[in-house]
Amino acid sequence: DARVTQTPRHKVTEMGQEVTMRCQPILGHNTVFWYRQTMMQGLELLAYFRNRAPLDDSGMPKDRFSAEMPDATLATLKIQPSEPRDSAVYFCASGPGTSGRTTDTQYFGPGTRLTVL
Amino acid sequence: AQSVTQLGSHVSVSEGALVLLRCNYSSSVPPYLFWYVQYPNQGLQLLLKYTTGATLVKGINGFEAEFKKSETSFHLTKPSAHMSDAAEYFCAVRGSYNQGGKLIFGQGTELSVKP
Repeated sequence: DARVTQTPRHKVTEMGQEVTMRCQPILGHNTVFWYRQTMMQGLELLAYFRNRAPLDDSGMPKDRFSAEMPDATLATLKIQPSEPRDSAVYFCASGPGTSGRTTDTQYFGPGTRLTVL
Repeated sequence: AQSVTQLGSHVSVSEGALVLLRCNYSSSVPPYLFWYVQYPNQGLQLLLKYTTGATLVKGINGFEAEFKKSETSFHLTKPSAHMSDAAEYFCAVRGSYNQGGKLIFGQGTELSVKP
């Protein structure tokens, strides 16, 4: 049963610290998405990749957030420095990308719950 | 720009009753529409999607949704609620080209099922 995996599942850190979240997409999927979910803002798309190339990161605060795909089996989302307002659940999702669009079904990971004190 | 409005942040039904979760969309192009479900402490899971063709779409777990262009709606229904249906449900529409074609999610509707 292929699944998207995310690590860590929970992270508590102090303001100013660097946070790195990792995602392993489903093998063979060529699109990867990073979302943030908060009570206030709901589900927001931060960035997405196709074939490891970033296609859209307009939802991501550029000054502190960065997203990369070092290889096809790993996507990372980094926050440096972290702030309390970054506290949220961060989801990674992957898709087969057969049509090259985000309309393909996205398969979500279980999320990383980040708390910044 | 595309957008989604889910009417009612919280819906409560009795077990065995009809489930109706409302979603209205705004789209300047023929929409692609989705319903996702999120169980506690889990990621989102696709329930169903409409792209083209038949306007009544059947999904997993007995859910279905009907695309009504004239009403710009894509409401989610299930004839008989189960306790296991308690979760949060998200409606989404594909964004416009200017939005990168990405999925635009509604704010979610939390479904509670009473015994």
